Amino acid sequence: GQNIDQPTEMTATEGAIVQINCTYQTSGFNGLFWYQQHAGEAPTFLSYNVLDGLEEKGRFSSFLSRSKGYSYLLLKELQMKDSASYLCAVTNSNYQLIWGAGTKLIIKP
Amino acid sequence: GAVVSQHPSRVICKSGTSVKIECRSLDFQATTMFWYRQFPKQSLMLMATSNEGSKATYEQGVEKDKFLINHASLTLSTLTVTSAHPEDSSFYICSARDPGQGPYEQYFGPGTRLTVT
Repeated sequence: GQNIDQPTEMTATEGAIVQINCTYQTSGFNGLFWYQQHAGEAPTFLSYNVLDGLEEKGRFSSFLSRSKGYSYLLLKELQMKDSASYLCAVTNSNYQLIWGAGTKLIIKP
Repeated sequence: GAVVSQHPSRVICKSGTSVKIECRSLDFQATTMFWYRQFPKQSLMLMATSNEGSKATYEQGVEKDKFLINHASLTLSTLTVTSAHPEDSSFYICSARDPGQGPYEQYFGPGTRLTVT
């Protein structure tokens, strides 16, 4: 089967750094996405990794290791508005997007 | 980035009636659009893949006759929930691929909150 695992919920402090992990097992691999979703809203694109390594984009960075089936999203200088669910999704060999259940991130002052 | 709109954003309907949800790509042509459903505190569940000019491909467990999908043009796909029941109440989200932006990224519409009473 195909599955994507990520923690259900994480809590962090405003101004701190948090790392959200994602492990995957899919039939083939054509890239990994991270999306942010605020409650009651549609997901918004954060990052896309298809090669191993770290992609940095402002306060957000995403890392991929294809051999380990592992990715993480790193959020720096956390702000209250970063409180949201973070969804990990993998495109498999059929170009289907397989979604994780999402990690709810709670930011405390 | 590419923009996808959905209409309506919220709809309340009575049990047994049908509801149509529109998904439009505003500044690009989308040959492929996707329809998702999301229940509270759960992840996105792909319902079907909509291809312009051909029949939609439904995921296992999704009733084709209940969730009618029509991708009539390169910028519009519609989802019709027929004979809606309270258990169909959910957040419906569409997404579209912009071929000009790369083959894999999906742009999401703002979603439609359906409540069936």
